[in-house]
Amino acid sequence: EIVLTQSPGTLSLSPGERATLSCRASQNISDPYLAWYQQKLGQPPRLLIYGASIRATGIPDRFSGSGSGTDFTLTISSLEPEDFAVYYCQQYGRTPQTFGQGSTVEF
Amino acid sequence: QVQLVESGGGLVKPGGSLRLSCATSGFTFSDSYMSWIRQAPGQGLEWVSYISDDSTTKYYADSVKGRFTISRDNAKNSVYLQMNSLRVDDTAVYYCATTSGILDNWGQGTLVTVSS
Repeated sequence: EIVLTQSPGTLSLSPGERATLSCRASQNISDPYLAWYQQKLGQPPRLLIYGASIRATGIPDRFSGSGSGTDFTLTISSLEPEDFAVYYCQQYGRTPQTFGQGSTVEF
Repeated sequence: QVQLVESGGGLVKPGGSLRLSCATSGFTFSDSYMSWIRQAPGQGLEWVSYISDDSTTKYYADSVKGRFTISRDNAKNSVYLQMNSLRVDDTAVYYCATTSGILDNWGQGTLVTVSS
């Protein structure tokens, strides 16, 4: 199975700052079938980005995704108070689909 | 709007069984693949299983293969997860989600606790 490793584990930032989260895959992810989710405490995950760089419906443009092959990045250009949460990457190109362990963006 | 509501969670002893249900509305269920994903307390996400729109294709994570069975009833717009031979490490919130690879709509989850 494809193992996804996210870094950093925790990112301590303030509102208005830029957040850069990394997701590294153990094998090449084709097409690329790579997504990002946001999860707040007590809530289900919410899809942010798919196809590595396509924002899901209703996602603000301060969220952007990039990357290919084995290295992917989620960038939040200017943190809003509601963006402090846990972020997961997911590969959905091969079964089993797998998730990274998550990165926490904290204030 | 799209709604997914899980039910059927609870406390069960190791070796026991539970059947989770996910009732859906707001989209064409019979055209949609569906997945179950779980999250152990304080942990990350683990994909568990998915089922194709016509039930002909089903996949399972190795950790549940042979113990869990996914099914659906397109007439009732519902998907199910039959969980047998439950273990302590199956304790988690179980989410259902629509899937086209990506998991675009999620329910609120149902908590399964396996403990003696």
